[in-house]
Amino acid sequence: GAGVSQSPSNKVTEKGKDVELRCDPISGHTALYWYRQSLGQGLEFLIYFQGNSAPDKSGLPSDRFSAERTGGSVSTLTIQRTQQEDSAVYLCASSLSKGSAGELFFGEGSRLTVL
Amino acid sequence: GDSVTQMEGPVTLSEEAFLTINCTYTATGYPSLFWYVQYPGEGLQLLLKATKADDKGSNKGFEATYRKETTSFHLEKGSVQVSDSAVYFCALYSGGGADGLTFGKGTHLIIQP
Repeated sequence: GAGVSQSPSNKVTEKGKDVELRCDPISGHTALYWYRQSLGQGLEFLIYFQGNSAPDKSGLPSDRFSAERTGGSVSTLTIQRTQQEDSAVYLCASSLSKGSAGELFFGEGSRLTVL
Repeated sequence: GDSVTQMEGPVTLSEEAFLTINCTYTATGYPSLFWYVQYPGEGLQLLLKATKADDKGSNKGFEATYRKETTSFHLEKGSVQVSDSAVYFCALYSGGGADGLTFGKGTHLIIQP
């Protein structure tokens, strides 16, 4: 597609439920990133995929968070047993490669609200 | 580790005012520097960048100069418009770490007509 596409754009869930957030990067972009944007906290790095290499999960805040990227394209971020502190906007970004040196293309984000 | 510090918001200005949003950084080596902008309801988009000392990035009337001696990358615009209302993020890329990117916390800019 023309840009990074994320779905759903908004998700309201009850505490304890699992949620899945989807990201479809720009075609041909090998690097894919997930960030979390909380009010007043800026962007928090979660996970990074580069091609078919094993992802760098060093930013995931707990073992309730996981992500996968199938076929080097679409990625899914899964949050199990959601907590209220998980409420945030989850941003996905892609770039041609990590060597694109910081030039990321972002989706519009998925706003998660945990009641 | 790397860090980016930018002025707290919100910053409220009148239309046609001069804008400066301060950004300073700490990094090892020689990072690339960026300003990203997030308009209401949209994702972040790259506004401008500079890859080495004394470089000036510019776009849409905005400018920022990479100042190695003061480790700064302040964003400026001579005459702001209501449509410039957005959140502005300063960022650096050092190539280290998982994603290599470090973002500031963002500055919310509000332009009043």
